[in-house]
Parts: sequence; C-alpha cells; structure tokens
Amino acid sequence: RKEVEQDPGPFNVPEGATVAFNCTYSNSASQSFFWYRQDCRKEPKLLMSVYSSGNEDGRFTAQLNRASQYISLLIRDSKLSDSATYLCVVNMIAQAGTALIFGKGTTLSVSS
Amino acid sequence: EPEVTQTPSHQVTQMGQEVILRCVPISNHLYFYWYRQILGQKVEFLVSFYNNEISEKSEIFDDQFSVERPDGSNFTLKIRSTKLEDSAMYFCASSESGRTYEQYFGPGTRLTVT
Repeated sequence: RKEVEQDPGPFNVPEGATVAFNCTYSNSASQSFFWYRQDCRKEPKLLMSVYSSGNEDGRFTAQLNRASQYISLLIRDSKLSDSATYLCVVNMIAQAGTALIFGKGTTLSVSS
Repeated sequence: EPEVTQTPSHQVTQMGQEVILRCVPISNHLYFYWYRQILGQKVEFLVSFYNNEISEKSEIFDDQFSVERPDGSNFTLKIRSTKLEDSAMYFCASSESGRTYEQYFGPGTRLTVT
C-alpha cells in the first residue's frame, strides 16, 4: 500500500512552460501537506505548505482536495533553475514532532 | 537564514563498526528528526525527538539505532553495528513548536558501509 503516490516523470518542458504535478495519499486522516524540492544528492527543501483553501507563492500554486485525497502543484513560467525532483509530503498528525511521509518524487527537467 | 548543519558530509565505515552522525538543529527549534534516503529511493522517517526523549519512531529504527542530545546544540544518531544496508543518505531535520509543522532539513551525511 503506497501512502503517497506520485507520477515519477520525468517531465521535460521548455522554459516558460506551465507544468502540473499531482499526488495522491492513502490515509484520509492525513492533516498537513507540503511540497518539497530536492536537487540531485541534496537535502529536501521546503517549497510550500499546502492549505485547504489552496495557496500561491509567486509562480507556484498548490491545491488540496481532501475528498479525493489529492494534492497538486502548478509551476508557471518554468525556469531552468526549476529543474529538480518535487516531493509530495504528508503528515498524518497535525502536530510538531511527527513523521513526514514522502512520495518518491516527480522529476522535472526544464530546457532552454 | 538559520540552517540545520550536519557532520561529517561523508562517512565510510566497515560493516559491524559503530558510527555517530552529528547534527546542529536550528537554534530556536524544539523538535528534531532523523530521516534516511537509500540511493534511488524515497526519504524515510526514522525518529523524532522532543524534550530529551523519543516522541515517535519507525520500524526501521530498531535496537541498532539510538539518538541523543548530548548538549544544548548537538543532536546525534548512533548506529551500533553497521550493516551494508545501512548505506544511505541520513538527513537531520528540525521544526519549531506551534502550529507550523514545517520541518527543515540539513545537507545530509552520506554513509557508506563496506
């Protein structure tokens, strides 16, 4: 049973493209949701938390659909520097000190 | 910007040896974590630590593993008798208390067991 599932990609897009990643999670009790990015052989870096109402940070928009247990990340106007692996991450208990459950990630490659 | 730091960046050890991985969490954070990532696989939770005790651990975190906060700044992960399958990237993370549950990761220690 896969707890957090993502399309591994790779997504190969030209600069300036809009790209969307999807993620599903299996545990309906999940409480907190995040997108992290991970460059090759580096640590996961928090990109954004995902709120029920959806949220936007510059070119990045995250959406949460609790009924469908589905999270999405939209990247507009892709830059070369957006090339990375994007990790969908879920926390089943809404409190600090509890485990993050990671998906395997979706790889994005932006080319000029 | 405050960061989590980890030492060493790379550790090579022989099977059966003990290793200690070190982390300095962000200074005002109260919750500390260890995760590992085997090459090509997803990041996996090992253990979380708060107020000088383990608050949660995964089934990976067996008796071979232990964690400690030996002083006010360091947080360590000890593997007592390393196995080949312990070879992985080990990430330390920390989070502050309150309603944000965001965890911030250090650069990792690459552990190679030969």
